Amino acid sequence: LAKTTQPISMDSYEGQEVNITCSHNNIATNDYITWYQQFPSQGPRFIIQGYKTKVTNEVASLFIPADRKSSTLSLPRVSLSDTAVYYCLVGDDKIIFGKGTRLHILP
Amino acid sequence: EPEVTQTPSHQVTQMGQEVILRCVPISNHLYFYWYRQILGQKVEFLVSFYNNEISEKSEIFDDQFSVERPDGSNFTLKIRSTKLEDSAMYFCASSEALVGREDEQYFGPGTRLTVT
Repeated sequence: LAKTTQPISMDSYEGQEVNITCSHNNIATNDYITWYQQFPSQGPRFIIQGYKTKVTNEVASLFIPADRKSSTLSLPRVSLSDTAVYYCLVGDDKIIFGKGTRLHILP
Repeated sequence: EPEVTQTPSHQVTQMGQEVILRCVPISNHLYFYWYRQILGQKVEFLVSFYNNEISEKSEIFDDQFSVERPDGSNFTLKIRSTKLEDSAMYFCASSEALVGREDEQYFGPGTRLTVT
């Protein structure tokens, strides 16, 4: 299983773009990269998933370089409600959650 | 939008008692999971279940724990002889395909288990 490393916490302001980078040096050929969001006392919620290059949905973008040893979650124009823990996950038939990145959005 | 449901939302039990946490996964999903999260800590994988059997389990998932899909809809986690350190949020999740292979897990809202 590929281990992931991400910043423990980040602060940003409303309206800013936030980029959270995750390192996964030992990613396997078949592994996808998935990001989840978790609010306090709630279950994790899927945000985005990708394999290579760039993926965009209505919530976020995911940038993956050619070597796939890292990925960057980009949240455009964050709001206070984006304050949450964000998890980067790489794996196969089970999900190993790391400590995630605690994102705090300030007014 | 389909969702995973869990009952009860909060369970209080005495040490040594057995508890059963219930989950109803999304109907067309084939893979089922249990996770737990001790307050203030990370989400920990417990077990995955496919085709009516355990496909993988973590070190946490010892003989105290068992899972079952008693009918076509429910997926249960039984904890025998609960201990104080079993107090946590327990999340059920399901996915249509093998996670990590171009699919996502859908998580339920969790059951908060408090062992006194």
